[in-house]
Amino acid sequence: DTGVSQDPRHKITKRGQNVTFRCDPISEHNRLYWYRQTLGQGPEFLTYFQNEAQLEKSRLLSDRFSAERPKGSFSTLEIQRTEQGDSAMYLCASRDLELGDTGELFFGEGSRLTVL
Amino acid sequence: QQPVQSPQAVILREGEDAVINCSSSKALYSVHWYRQKHGEAPVFLMILLKGGEQKGHDKISASFNEKKQQSSLYLTASQLSYSGTYFCGTELGSNYQLIWGAGTKLIIKP
Repeated sequence: DTGVSQDPRHKITKRGQNVTFRCDPISEHNRLYWYRQTLGQGPEFLTYFQNEAQLEKSRLLSDRFSAERPKGSFSTLEIQRTEQGDSAMYLCASRDLELGDTGELFFGEGSRLTVL
Repeated sequence: QQPVQSPQAVILREGEDAVINCSSSKALYSVHWYRQKHGEAPVFLMILLKGGEQKGHDKISASFNEKKQQSSLYLTASQLSYSGTYFCGTELGSNYQLIWGAGTKLIIKP
């Protein structure tokens, strides 16, 4: 098991373009989270999945953001018509709640987005 | 709803102790503690569930006061490797999102 992997690690795009990030969680983990983190701040919740079901989306997430987790495996986060304010680190984390209440989150290295 | 962490930053000499606090205005189900080094992903330290238990490993321990909805992280005899930003994350229930505090930056000097 190689842990949570995210791709790409860095993305530079022009304002107005669409970007997509991919997250491959630890294989047996049923819960997957997406967070956004800006410099000096804690991770900001975006959305999370229980298997393939998207259970909650942050109200901060505009209509330009969409996430999927087909078949309950990898997940994608797409940002349409990017804005400079979208520049941030996008973190993915997975968790195995079969462990019960002690399921720690395993984070990926993140995908850093820069919107010019 | 975001938990409040204090202090925002701490500067210590190697070997000194530190306490980082995390408080919430809502009844908590669990508190998570993670450490993040610059440019790296957050790394798990420990989880505390309601019930006021205390956990620890090595020289890092934490407590959870359910009545006060507060958790404290204790770092004793700090080492250079303890440097980083410490985040607490709180859950209101097992099917709630994990909400993170703004972090406490810890700098350890030799």
